[in-house]
Amino acid sequence: QQPVQSPQAVILREGEDAVINCSSSKALYSVHWYRQKHGEAPVFLMILLKGGEQKGHEKISASFNEKKQQSSLYLTASQLSYSGTYFCGTERSVNAGNMLTFGGGTRLMVKP
Amino acid sequence: GAGVSQTPSNKVTEKGKYVELRCDPISGHTALYWYRQSLGQGPEFLIYFQGTGAADDSGLPNDRFFAVRPEGSVSTLKIQRTERGDSAVYLCASSPSGGANTGELFFGEGSRLTVL
Repeated sequence: QQPVQSPQAVILREGEDAVINCSSSKALYSVHWYRQKHGEAPVFLMILLKGGEQKGHEKISASFNEKKQQSSLYLTASQLSYSGTYFCGTERSVNAGNMLTFGGGTRLMVKP
Repeated sequence: GAGVSQTPSNKVTEKGKYVELRCDPISGHTALYWYRQSLGQGPEFLIYFQGTGAADDSGLPNDRFFAVRPEGSVSTLKIQRTERGDSAVYLCASSPSGGANTGELFFGEGSRLTVL
């Protein structure tokens, strides 16, 4: 079942902050975050695992509430380069083998 | 180093025709994935290979879709009797390992398929 992302779109000025949410109705093992610019490949940002482990880029901040099956991605002091569509992808078990179920995406536009 | 390479980048075909899309993963990556992305949507899982074998093909929409990875590197997604609803960007991704080792997926830029 596809996770639900909110908001669907957000517009920021450079330097502003944003939070993108990802919510599932099923128990999750992990949440993955990717950013995709128009016409380009999705690029990995972060993985959050059940139990608290995180893998990803240092400048990215995210949280995973296992009980609520929710994850949030925190974008602080946004830059123009942050513009793009953000997708969360979820795995329901430890043996899911990276077969992710992606949400519908959150479009972020950062303006000067 | 080279990333995931997909060819063709664009394919326009007529309804009913056969299409092959190729993916060349990052060298040494044992896991390979095909996803399909429709306009304005997130990627939708199709099939996952671990080495030469399809570990999970539960995302293939019907028997018109088939994928192979005969030598454990390059993979080909094959679509028979194409329909207009097959129009989408087909993304390939690879990963150093699969199974219980959840990790980063490296995506290619995709093959945009348009069925007229």
